[in-house]
Amino acid sequence: GAGVSQSPSNKVTEKGKDVELRCDPISGHTALYWYRQSLGQGLEFLIYFQGNSAPDKSGLPSDRFSAERTGGSVSTLTIQRTQQEDSAVYLCASSSQPSRQAEAFFGQGTRLTVV
Amino acid sequence: GENVEQHPSTLSVQEGDSAVIKCTYSDSASNYFPWYKQELGKRPQLIIDIRSNVGEKKDQRIAVTLNKTAKHFSLHITETQPEDSAVYFCAAASGSARQLTFGSGTQLTVLP
Repeated sequence: GAGVSQSPSNKVTEKGKDVELRCDPISGHTALYWYRQSLGQGLEFLIYFQGNSAPDKSGLPSDRFSAERTGGSVSTLTIQRTQQEDSAVYLCASSSQPSRQAEAFFGQGTRLTVV
Repeated sequence: GENVEQHPSTLSVQEGDSAVIKCTYSDSASNYFPWYKQELGKRPQLIIDIRSNVGEKKDQRIAVTLNKTAKHFSLHITETQPEDSAVYFCAAASGSARQLTFGSGTQLTVLP
């Protein structure tokens, strides 16, 4: 597709369940970010992938959160044993070669609601 | 790592007035500074960016200035219109991988 695609767009889950959120970046983009945005709040950095380098996981809030990026393309963010405070919009963004310092394109986000 | 601070967190202006949002960064090696606009319920989108080899860039009613010595950059919107109402995020790219670090955002409201 032409843009960053995220799925599902909405997810309601019960407390304690695991969820997987998917991000399809723009083809050829080597950099991929995950952010969390609570209602009316800013962009909370979660994790950053760049090519084959080790990801920057410094933003993951707990060991219940993990992410992987297979083949340098699709990324999956997994939240285990979800809690109500995990409810937020999860945004993914990708950008091309870092040396070009190109803009980051955002997906439409996944709205996660933990009940 | 990089730290980006953004002020103010909220800003209200009358239609037609100017709006200024300011950001500071900590990593003197940062050299790319984009600004994103996020309308309610939508994804953030790039509106303007500046690289460290220039001090100012303009695009119609919006402009960004960069002061490398002081490590701060600002977004200027002139002749504001109601459709400018949104959350604006600044960011700085640092490190060998040019990882983006975002500011906390400014909620701009343009009053008719």
